[in-house]
Amino acid sequence: GESVGLHLPTLSVQEGDNSIINCAYSNSASDYFIWYKQESGKGPQFIIDIRSNMDKRQGQRVTVLLNKTVKHLSLQIAATQPGDSAVYFCAENAGGTSYGKLTFGQGTILTVHP
Amino acid sequence: NAGVTQTPKFQVLKTGQSMTLQCAQDMNHEYMSWYRQDPGMGLRLIHYSVGAGITDQGEVPNGYNVSRSTTEDFPLRLLSAAPSQTSVYFCASSYSLGQGANEQYFGPGTRLTVT
Repeated sequence: GESVGLHLPTLSVQEGDNSIINCAYSNSASDYFIWYKQESGKGPQFIIDIRSNMDKRQGQRVTVLLNKTVKHLSLQIAATQPGDSAVYFCAENAGGTSYGKLTFGQGTILTVHP
Repeated sequence: NAGVTQTPKFQVLKTGQSMTLQCAQDMNHEYMSWYRQDPGMGLRLIHYSVGAGITDQGEVPNGYNVSRSTTEDFPLRLLSAAPSQTSVYFCASSYSLGQGANEQYFGPGTRLTVT
């Protein structure tokens, strides 16, 4: 039969705090990583990406850190706002002939309290 | 640009029925993909295409067919619907940003229930 849905990790923060969402990836051949935000009833929305030849990349209020040694990715959101409440997914792409093939993580629910 | 569009938004099928989920993009993207998302889980790749006339299987292809006759359209066909196919289906398209990189744009999803 169908597997039961998993309980997603959750993170609750106060408005104005910084948030850190973590992700462990499995494929050491992955060379491109993306963070997506998914609001209820909508498709995933691109936030920020990073290539494997970098260990840090900054966007507007967001920073992605990549540690290839331990296959770990994190998303830092500065001055978190209620509008940041959503499910956040990391995704990895092995590149080469794998264009268009993303492997998604389980997701983390971020709740921002006013 | 409309981006990635999907129809229908909602669909209820009986077991054994067939149907086609439509996906179109107007960004001239080479790459298109279909994912399914089950409750409390991330997205899983069903099929993908790297260009018109070229498709390949993803992680969970069984029970689904795809074709890519044009750059713009990438329909997903359910051959004989089963309750296990109850899910939310997302279509995505992307362009290559260089070796090993592409940013995917997602459609709004089709919520499918099979009874």
